Amino acid sequence: AQSVTQLDSHVSVSEGTPVLLRCNYSSSYSPSLFWYVQHPNKGLQLLLKYTSAATLVKGINGFEAEFKKSETSFHLTKPSAHMSDAAEYFCVVTVNNAGNMLTFGGGTRLMVKP
Amino acid sequence: KAGVTQTPRYLIKTRGQQVTLSCSPISGHRSVSWYQQTPGQGLQFLFEYFSETQRNKGNFPGRFSGRQFSNSRSEMNVSTLELGDSALYLCASSSVGVLGTDTQYFGPGTRLTVL
Repeated sequence: AQSVTQLDSHVSVSEGTPVLLRCNYSSSYSPSLFWYVQHPNKGLQLLLKYTSAATLVKGINGFEAEFKKSETSFHLTKPSAHMSDAAEYFCVVTVNNAGNMLTFGGGTRLMVKP
Repeated sequence: KAGVTQTPRYLIKTRGQQVTLSCSPISGHRSVSWYQQTPGQGLQFLFEYFSETQRNKGNFPGRFSGRQFSNSRSEMNVSTLELGDSALYLCASSSVGVLGTDTQYFGPGTRLTVL
């Protein structure tokens, strides 16, 4: 079985400052990990994914995440927040024997102050 | 390419009724998955269909069912609606690839309200 814990339900940053959204996972097998973003009243958009290639993954809109197996973490970062980054972010895990069944974390709401 | 489309976008039903939601995947995608999103339980996997066969099922009661047609379009049905079924229902599609690494692309969702 797999699970995901997003360590912060809310994160508030000022525009132009770095963003860090924390995610820890648990998996019996080698995982694939994703970050999705959801803007209000919208569906989910893929930011980036890790699938056992490079441990530092670059995504869209300047986001990146680093897979750390020893820490079972997959934290999402961005050097400089923009107002348009305000949204809910989900860390997601799946494993090869789970088909396409995604397991979602509880979500982190990112607020960006002007 | 057009994205994943879901119809209707909004639905209001009363307890005891049944409802059918529809999802059209991205052209060429053969896998369709359904998720329920609620404030209390978050995002939970309902089921996945691939080539008209249910490949995976989440932990939901039998009132929740689905099917997939030969053109990969999928429907989900909820019978005997309960207040707790009020949620955003998201559909996602993916292409054939290595299981567990397929990228799933989500539709905008159907917001179901049960009164």
